[in-house]
Amino acid sequence: NAGVTQTPKFQVLKTGQSMTLQCAQDMNHEYMSWYRQDPGMGLRLIHYSVGAGITDQGEVPNGYNVSRSTTEDFPLRLLSAAPSQTSVYFCASSFRGQVAYEQYFGPGTRLTVT
Amino acid sequence: TQLLEQSPQFLSIQEGENLTVYCNSSSVFSSLQWYRQEPGEGPVLLVTVVTGGEVKKLKRLTFQFGDARKDSSLHITAAQPGDTGLYLCAGPPGAGSYQLTFGKGTKLSVIP
Repeated sequence: NAGVTQTPKFQVLKTGQSMTLQCAQDMNHEYMSWYRQDPGMGLRLIHYSVGAGITDQGEVPNGYNVSRSTTEDFPLRLLSAAPSQTSVYFCASSFRGQVAYEQYFGPGTRLTVT
Repeated sequence: TQLLEQSPQFLSIQEGENLTVYCNSSSVFSSLQWYRQEPGEGPVLLVTVVTGGEVKKLKRLTFQFGDARKDSSLHITAAQPGDTGLYLCAGPPGAGSYQLTFGKGTKLSVIP
């Protein structure tokens, strides 16, 4: 199993450009989520999905869109990039373990918006 | 909003030393998890604690959940350079929730 994969690893955008961060998992997990990680801010939830066709907003959703057409894929779209979106983005998938939900993270996408 | 406060924010120690990092909240959590994140990688789950007073050991790492389930600690014995990383605690904002609230982490550097 590849686990959770993310592409690209690095990306530089100009202000106003749009792009899609790709995320895929091969563990058949129902729950997937996107986080951003900024220095001193920890991991903040952007959007999440509890299954194909179902998505919801997290703590910091503005400027981002998601969709979940299959169990495996959960892309994150930046509509019009802004310098404030410079961050490291992590996708995670989750399943219910013996006692709690356990999250598996991808390796991250480092995004710079100039 | 249930917040998790981690301390210290940064910790730099020599190889072979012992250390403890803390995760505190004013709210009760049904469970708490600890993750380790190495530079350039995503966080990796180390342990989940669910019972007040519970102690779990993972080689040289000892995790404890407070009796009131509002706090947790991670103790590392004889730290090694391979322990270097960002240690994050996380917990569900509600019992059975699939979402997690994360602390801001403790950045540990172990100097050879």
